[in-house]
Amino acid sequence: NAGVTQTPKFRILKIGQSMTLQCTQDMNHNYMYWYRQDPGMGLKLIYYSVGAGITDKGEVPNGYNVSRSTTEDFPLRLELAAPSQTSVYFCASSYSKVTSGRGTGEQFFGPGTRLTVL
Amino acid sequence: AQTVTQSQPEMSVQEAETVTLSCTYDTSESDYYLFWYKQPPSRQMILVIRQEAYKQQNATENRFSVNFQKAAKSFSLKISDSQLGDAAMYFCAYRSGLYNNNDMRFGAGTRLTVKP
Repeated sequence: NAGVTQTPKFRILKIGQSMTLQCTQDMNHNYMYWYRQDPGMGLKLIYYSVGAGITDKGEVPNGYNVSRSTTEDFPLRLELAAPSQTSVYFCASSYSKVTSGRGTGEQFFGPGTRLTVL
Repeated sequence: AQTVTQSQPEMSVQEAETVTLSCTYDTSESDYYLFWYKQPPSRQMILVIRQEAYKQQNATENRFSVNFQKAAKSFSLKISDSQLGDAAMYFCAYRSGLYNNNDMRFGAGTRLTVKP
């Protein structure tokens, strides 16, 4: 099991450019998440998905878009990059029972993508 | 909304000694999970220990244990016999037990230094 993988590891963007951060998990988890971590801070939820075709906003969704066409993949799209989006981005996944939402509660994290917008 | 507070930005401990990291949280829910995650310089988020709120017994994982005080909304992490490899950022996190609430809230973190 590779767990949660993210590409790229590093990226520098110019203001106004767009890009997609890729995330894939091979644990057959139904829930997937995108977080951002600003310097010296904890993680904040951007978007999450409870299954293929279903996504919802988290705490800080502005400037981002997501889609979930398969169980394995959950890409994060940045449109019109701004310096405020300079951060480290983490993808995570977890399993919860569909009927009750209960599982271990644990989220498994990818290695992160460091994004700089200049 | 739930909030998680880690009041110690930095802590240091001598190798082989014991250190306790503090965490408090605010919630009106009775069903939830609490976690401690470790983030070494590699940036990988690694689960250290988890606690379910309905379980009164404090969780333990080898050298790591928690002191879960539900009434006080306190969730501290004790690291015994500290090792150089324990040096990292430690994040306390809260997740609701509600099936339709997927928001995991993180504290700002505590940077732990281990002195040889």
